[in-house]
Amino acid sequence: EVQLLESGGGLVQPGGSLRLSCAASGFTFNTYAMNWVRQAPGRGLEWVSTLSGSGGSTYYADSVKGRFTISRDNSKDTLYLQMNSLRAEDTGLYYCAKIRQLGSFDYWGQGTLVTVSS
Amino acid sequence: QSALTQPASVSGSPGQSITISCTGTSSDIGYYDYVSWYQQHPGKAPKLMIYDVSKRPSGVSYRFSGSKSGNTASLTISGLQAEDEADYSCCSYAGYSTYVFGTGTNVTVL
Repeated sequence: EVQLLESGGGLVQPGGSLRLSCAASGFTFNTYAMNWVRQAPGRGLEWVSTLSGSGGSTYYADSVKGRFTISRDNSKDTLYLQMNSLRAEDTGLYYCAKIRQLGSFDYWGQGTLVTVSS
Repeated sequence: QSALTQPASVSGSPGQSITISCTGTSSDIGYYDYVSWYQQHPGKAPKLMIYDVSKRPSGVSYRFSGSKSGNTASLTISGLQAEDEADYSCCSYAGYSTYVFGTGTNVTVL
């Protein structure tokens, strides 16, 4: 059974940093691209970032480019999101999602909440 | 990377059919056959309902179907049931391994 478990969320001041983690199990982690998707309170889903299975290719939404860094440790089956220079508009629930194939996400974690506020 | 446009809410009575639209551009929905739909109950993670415009993952009810015409994709729920009451979001591949989601639609079963 595929499981994705996010952690690392919390309350941080504007300009601060957080590192999110996503522990994966139930599939061959290093053969799948992994993603972060977020949802602001009362808003729709927003794609944040994608990382290839090998970790060699990264992709970011314009809204986070230059501030967020996605990475993975395939020896630990874990995905990360380093978030720097956080803004109030980064507040939301951050989901880790496994890509099915190009174009869709077939498994999602339960999310970890990030709140950026002074 | 503007969000795809969905109606804020759609409602229907049990047994009826409803359709949710998702409008994008010629750079996303209009260009790629990689539209997916997600169901999200309150406090729960999204669940993949449709991928590649019209394909259903194993375990998803046949009552859910997807289609696309031009820059607009659609999700149809037939034989509406109480358990279908949830938020639904569309998503399109937008090239260079980027994705764009829709604004989300709340489905109410009357």
